[in-house]
Amino acid sequence: KAGVTQTPRYLIKTRGQQVTLSCSPISGHRSVSWYQQTPGQGLQFLFEYFSETQRNKGNFPGRFSGRQFSNSRSEMNVSTLELGDSALYLCASSPLTPTRQYFGPGTRLTVT
Amino acid sequence: AQSVTQLGSHVSVSEGALVLLRCNYSSSVPPYLFWYVQYPNQGLQLLLKYTSAATLVKGINGFEAEFKKSETSFHLTKPSAHMSDAAEYFCAVKKGAQKLVFGQGTRLTINP
Repeated sequence: KAGVTQTPRYLIKTRGQQVTLSCSPISGHRSVSWYQQTPGQGLQFLFEYFSETQRNKGNFPGRFSGRQFSNSRSEMNVSTLELGDSALYLCASSPLTPTRQYFGPGTRLTVT
Repeated sequence: AQSVTQLGSHVSVSEGALVLLRCNYSSSVPPYLFWYVQYPNQGLQLLLKYTSAATLVKGINGFEAEFKKSETSFHLTKPSAHMSDAAEYFCAVKKGAQKLVFGQGTRLTINP
């Protein structure tokens, strides 16, 4: 099976812009979770989707949003980008509950 | 709330020496515990996980970890370090359907 894929791998945006990141889970996986990784804050949970419904949410402002499609692919959107949003965004998928998560390579977002 | 503490943000060992990366968790009940490894510019790869079966868990690449409830610890060990083990290691805890909570990470350096 192909692993978790994330597109794009690298992205440069300007403050105030918005960005959409995409994640394709492993075939058959229905749970997709998103994490933000920064040197200062480490790995922080953003949200988890299961069967197109948000099942868990982390402590991030409303500028961060996501969705999941019927084919389990997921997107996350960040509006009104801030410099502090520069990070590696990781997506992870799992079959049902996220007991065993498989991570993608991440999207590195740089906000200038 | 459950949390994870990794003692030592940087650990340096000689090639062939014992690797010991420390992780303590706080949880009211035994949780699921994980160790992940991250190589530069890559996502996270699961090394091993504890799910309330055997307390000594063997993982990939020769790593193992022992769950000690009395010490609320889940330290990662490898008898003999290899240069390819140089990476960042994350301990994580998860209880039920709740989100995965990561420690701050330990960067492992292997000296020739």
